[in-house]
Amino acid sequence: GEQVEQRPPHLSVREGDSAFIICTYTDSATAYFYWYKQEPGAGLQLLMSVFSNVDRKEEQGLTVLLNKKDKRLSLNLTAAHPGDSAVYFCAVSPNYGNEKITFGAGTKLTIKP
Amino acid sequence: AQTIHQWPVAEIKAVGSPLSLGCTIKGKSSPNLYWYWQATGGTLQQLFYSITVGQVESVVQLNLSASRPKDDQFILSTEKLLLSHSGFYLCAWSLGRAEVFFGKGTRLTVV
Repeated sequence: GEQVEQRPPHLSVREGDSAFIICTYTDSATAYFYWYKQEPGAGLQLLMSVFSNVDRKEEQGLTVLLNKKDKRLSLNLTAAHPGDSAVYFCAVSPNYGNEKITFGAGTKLTIKP
Repeated sequence: AQTIHQWPVAEIKAVGSPLSLGCTIKGKSSPNLYWYWQATGGTLQQLFYSITVGQVESVVQLNLSASRPKDDQFILSTEKLLLSHSGFYLCAWSLGRAEVFFGKGTRLTVV
């Protein structure tokens, strides 16, 4: 089955700097890609979704890059601020639908003042 | 607008006792529904999914069961809790091949 590796598990950056998180996946049939944010004790907030025909997507200080050849998905968060401190998860889903969604292990992002 | 509501918000239960967690989705017709489990500080493990009323597929066996008695309702239950059931339970929905949206979760502590 699908395997998703996410790194780093912990990331600390200064306010105003960028944060970069990467995920790799194994199933070439993977077609849907997601990034979620989870604040302490809360559910998951969808940040961005990308379909496999998109290589790059930018929204509100977030950039998602998809490299299908290398099976790599990344999230770049620019100009980090304290409200960005949270755990970030990548998630992927195969081409045949959303019945099986596989999550990465998460990256705990801490923004230092 | 669509809303997803999970109950209870938190629960402390004894080992061996029964459990029932609920989830309702309003504002969407025939959504796909999911249950996820998250150990403290861990990743999310998909437990069940359902694409229609009365039909539930198990993804992983954790001595839990799920049911979908109505189009907008998803129930997670067990007759006998284990310590290993402690964690954060998240209900989610999607419309087929689209984004998956999560509820706020239920924190379960088994003692």
